[in-house]
Amino acid sequence: GESVGLHLPTLSVQEGDNSIINCAYSNSASDYFIWYKQESGKGPQFIIDIRSNMDKRQGQRVTVLLNKTVKHLSLQIAATQPGDSAVYFCAENPGAGNMLTFGGGTRLMVKP
Amino acid sequence: NAGVTQTPKFQVLKTGQSMTLQCAQDMNHNSMYWYRQDPGMGLRLIYYSASEGTTDKGEVPNGYNVSRLNKREFSLRLESAAPSQTSVYFCASSARDRGEAFFGQGTRLTVV
Repeated sequence: GESVGLHLPTLSVQEGDNSIINCAYSNSASDYFIWYKQESGKGPQFIIDIRSNMDKRQGQRVTVLLNKTVKHLSLQIAATQPGDSAVYFCAENPGAGNMLTFGGGTRLMVKP
Repeated sequence: NAGVTQTPKFQVLKTGQSMTLQCAQDMNHNSMYWYRQDPGMGLRLIYYSASEGTTDKGEVPNGYNVSRLNKREFSLRLESAAPSQTSVYFCASSARDRGEAFFGQGTRLTVV
């Protein structure tokens, strides 16, 4: 696949452990946030989203937490599996049209 | 259901050559986007189209032009390619204002 994310911060976890990936966003006007997963050679895939009127949202094995006070977003993955290995991006919509602004990404590596 | 389809998947250009990247979606989405992704960085928005017949500049529009041919298709044109445009290009679409974006598989472009 392409050399995406050669210099990204990396989180290494043991299979079965929980993972927490953090993201600081920049625009206090942002009211919609998405987490994407990108596997090597593929486009980003939607994982979970959250609107600013919520501080927590749960999906299957994933939870997103939003702290608007400090402009911080986190993605928690329960019982991390080898298939979770990928680069994870947070994206924010600052309310200007339909534009999503992406963060720099974090590479998650799952050790068997 | 193909989702978002991009062509070509790979392309090598010489400096100064021109080319058009094609994107089509079959989800009846109103909004479409072009992003570029460089190693170690997140996705940066080049141009977007909120609806058929409209286009707007994103974060990094210089050196590119776009055409929203119809509701399904959104093309990206490089008139005179430069090595700085070496990147992976992603097309995306979304159904509604500030909704999740669905991404294509990407076009890996190298300008030599």
